[in-house]
Amino acid sequence: AQSVAQPEDQVNVAEGNPLTVKCTYSVSGNPYLFWYVQYPNRGLQFLLKYITGDNLVKGSYGFEAEFNKSQTSFHLKKPSALVSDSALYFCAVRDIDRDKIIFGKGTRLHILP
Amino acid sequence: DSGVTQTPKHLITATGQRVTLRCSPRSGDLSVYWYQQSLDQGLQFLIQYYNGEERAKGNILERFSAQQFPDLHSELNLSSLELGDSALYFCASSSLSSGANVLTFGAGSRLTVL
Repeated sequence: AQSVAQPEDQVNVAEGNPLTVKCTYSVSGNPYLFWYVQYPNRGLQFLLKYITGDNLVKGSYGFEAEFNKSQTSFHLKKPSALVSDSALYFCAVRDIDRDKIIFGKGTRLHILP
Repeated sequence: DSGVTQTPKHLITATGQRVTLRCSPRSGDLSVYWYQQSLDQGLQFLIQYYNGEERAKGNILERFSAQQFPDLHSELNLSSLELGDSALYFCASSSLSSGANVLTFGAGSRLTVL
């Protein structure tokens, strides 16, 4: 079965510094990969997706993600972190059963002022 | 407002009871997904419906059932509740015509079983 792993439960970054939230995947076939963000007491919000094409995907709120096939990774990045970026971030993959989206366990991002 | 409506927002009940969680998808979306979010298990896929038919099933317990009605709203029924069922239950909808299953989530229903 397809799966994603987020190796870090929590990431701390100083405001203004670049941030990276890591995600690795295991799929058979071509991966459909996603990043979602969850703010406190809210549902998840879609940030960006990779289906095919350019390995650097740009999304909402200045976030981008880099698809790396050789390393089976899809890390989320932002050049300059904001305190308001503090939230829970989920990486997801579309399962081989195409109607199922599998989420990682989430990484809590803390941006320190 | 995401356009996906979930009710109730909060629910407190006792072990052994039965509850129903309701979801109205975003206008035009035919597909509804249910997820359970708990601290130790992360976000677990439960079940998915498309235009009234079950399309995919995940780690859904036999005590749980769901359906999608002709007006496309969906209900998740949880019975013989146990303490471990306490969690945040999310509904999400998507328009499969997007071709990439981008999900729009509701705000969730927080279930507390005492």
